[in-house]
Amino acid sequence: DIQMTQSPSSLSASVGDRVSITCRASQSISSFLNWYQQRPGKAPKLLISAASNLQSGVPSRFSGNGSGTDVTLTITSLQAEDFATYYCQQSYRTPFTFGPGTKVDIK
Amino acid sequence: QVQLVESGGGVVQPGRSLRLSCAASGFTFNTYGMHWVRQAPDKGLEWVAVISYDGSNKYYADSVKGRFTISRDNSKNTLYLQMNSLRAEDTAVYYCAKDSTIVVVPAAILEYWGQGTLVTVSS
Repeated sequence: DIQMTQSPSSLSASVGDRVSITCRASQSISSFLNWYQQRPGKAPKLLISAASNLQSGVPSRFSGNGSGTDVTLTITSLQAEDFATYYCQQSYRTPFTFGPGTKVDIK
Repeated sequence: QVQLVESGGGVVQPGRSLRLSCAASGFTFNTYGMHWVRQAPDKGLEWVAVISYDGSNKYYADSVKGRFTISRDNSKNTLYLQMNSLRAEDTAVYYCAKDSTIVVVPAAILEYWGQGTLVTVSS
């Protein structure tokens, strides 16, 4: 199975900050990497697919890049509604594993 | 708009069975793969299973293989998860999710999610 890790596991930031979250796969997954946002008590929401494709309706302050084993999610100018947990997920092969999540909270 | 509504959760004793349903609307159900994903209390997301648009391809996480069965009834726009031999570690919110692409093998991009149904396995 492909193992996914995320760093950091949590971070504290302020509104307006730029934050980056890294997802690492145990083997190359090309660009088969998706990012989800989950707010407390809510279902996850797809933000970015195929490492860098921003989903319709997702603000442009979210971006993704990378391929192979390392992929990064960047949020420029963090907004109040962005405080949530972010998960990466590989869609390269089954089982389609998720990373452990990165919690972004208010400093 | 796309709607996914899970049902069938509840409290069940270890070793017993439960069947979850996911009623889909707002899209052409019989052309998309569908997934189940679960989340244990205060834990991360765990992918559980996927089924292709026509039910011909099914894949499972190792943790549920041989115990859980994913199926679908395209005439009813409904996805199912039959869970047998339940264990305490199966306690979680179970989400159904729609795959994003119309291909024979699902792309595993989980485009839309339901709100989840809670399964508690306890004696």
